[in-house]
Amino acid sequence: DIQMTQSPSSLSASVGDRVTITCQASQDISNYLNWYQQKPGKAPKLLIYDASNLETGVPSRFSGSGSGTDFTFTISSLQPEDIATYYCQQYDNLQVTFGPGTKVDIK
Amino acid sequence: QLQLQESGPGLVKPSETLSLTCTVSGGSISSSSYYWGWIRQPPGKGLEWIGSIYYSGSTYYNPSLKSRVTISVDTSKNQFSLKLSSVTAADTAVYYCARLGYSSGWYRFEAFDIWGQGTMVTVSS
Repeated sequence: DIQMTQSPSSLSASVGDRVTITCQASQDISNYLNWYQQKPGKAPKLLIYDASNLETGVPSRFSGSGSGTDFTFTISSLQPEDIATYYCQQYDNLQVTFGPGTKVDIK
Repeated sequence: QLQLQESGPGLVKPSETLSLTCTVSGGSISSSSYYWGWIRQPPGKGLEWIGSIYYSGSTYYNPSLKSRVTISVDTSKNQFSLKLSSVTAADTAVYYCARLGYSSGWYRFEAFDIWGQGTMVTVSS
């Protein structure tokens, strides 16, 4: 089974700050990685697919990069509406695993 | 636009079977481009994939839950269902259904792009 880790588990940043979250897979997953945003009481929302592709309608301040085992998710300028928990998710070999999540709030 | 809606009992007794249904509206479940999945989230915790099903009935399950899980599809009703047997308090969670992209040419999943609102299921006597 492929295990996913994320760091940090939580962070506080100011409005306008650049925020970076990392996700690591326990084995090579190529670019088979997605990123989701989940706000309290809501279903997750797809932001980035295939490691670096922005889902339609998602603001361009969100981006993703990486391949193999190491991936990065970035918010270029944190906005108040970005307060949420962010999850990475791998989909290699017809299996799915989510990372443990990173909670982002405003300092 | 496509919508998914979970339904089923909100309270299940320990050792019994949890049963949920996801109804797909605004589109067909019989698309070759998608699997359909169940994901759960215990209170205050992260997301856990339970399993996914194709309109043909092909299924893939989380190995950690496989012995207790059955996912089925009813294309005539545009629904798919989850059964989780021998539940304990650890199965208390919000259960989501979601559409999962599928590349039939590459035999691989893609992303969960459309989600239901989720339904809370509590396991308690």
